[in-house]
Amino acid sequence: NAGVTQTPKFRILKIGQSMTLQCAQDMNHNYMYWYRQDPGMGLKLIYYSVGAGITDKGEVPNGYNVSRSTTEDFPLRLELAAPSQTSVYFCASSSPGQEYGYTFGSGTRLTVV
Amino acid sequence: AQRVTQPEKLLSVFKGAPVELKCNYSYSGSPELFWYVQYSRQRLQLLLRHISRESIKGFTADLNKGETSFHLKKPFAQEEDSAMYYCALYRGSTLGRLYFGRGTQLTVWP
Repeated sequence: NAGVTQTPKFRILKIGQSMTLQCAQDMNHNYMYWYRQDPGMGLKLIYYSVGAGITDKGEVPNGYNVSRSTTEDFPLRLELAAPSQTSVYFCASSSPGQEYGYTFGSGTRLTVV
Repeated sequence: AQRVTQPEKLLSVFKGAPVELKCNYSYSGSPELFWYVQYSRQRLQLLLRHISRESIKGFTADLNKGETSFHLKKPFAQEEDSAMYYCALYRGSTLGRLYFGRGTQLTVWP
């Protein structure tokens, strides 16, 4: 029972590089989310998805893109990494009927230098 | 607009002392409130939700609609309670989306 799996756990990027943060869940959850966690700022929603093929912007979507081709996977793409994107990224999932409690992944710590 | 406010960024207590982590929310409808906890180097996990009226690890939280608060309380703090605590609000109109507060880092000293 893996829950929500995020890869990689750590990554260092140079400014201007691109990368994809992977997120997969095996609970058949409809809803998936990407948050970034910055010290003293809490969790900010980047993008979310309510089902395969449906995505929407959260509070801080600039510099990121997502896709949801399957129920299980929700990758987050950084096209041109900037130092401001240095953060810890969390993926989460939930489903109606669970009273909207989230299951979180273990996070990806990204540093852009 | 800040929908969930956690006024204390840091909170320290001694072992055995009572602890209260404050959370206020902004929403005129019927909210659903949650507390999440993140222990050092671990993922965030759901601690409790108001709708269940449960006590987890000795923590309780009561929804006070008049004061729009959902404070987390524990009568006798333990060292293993040291963690980051997030209050979260579901407003019922955004398909499962939760709004998180900025978090309170609780340290329980021996």
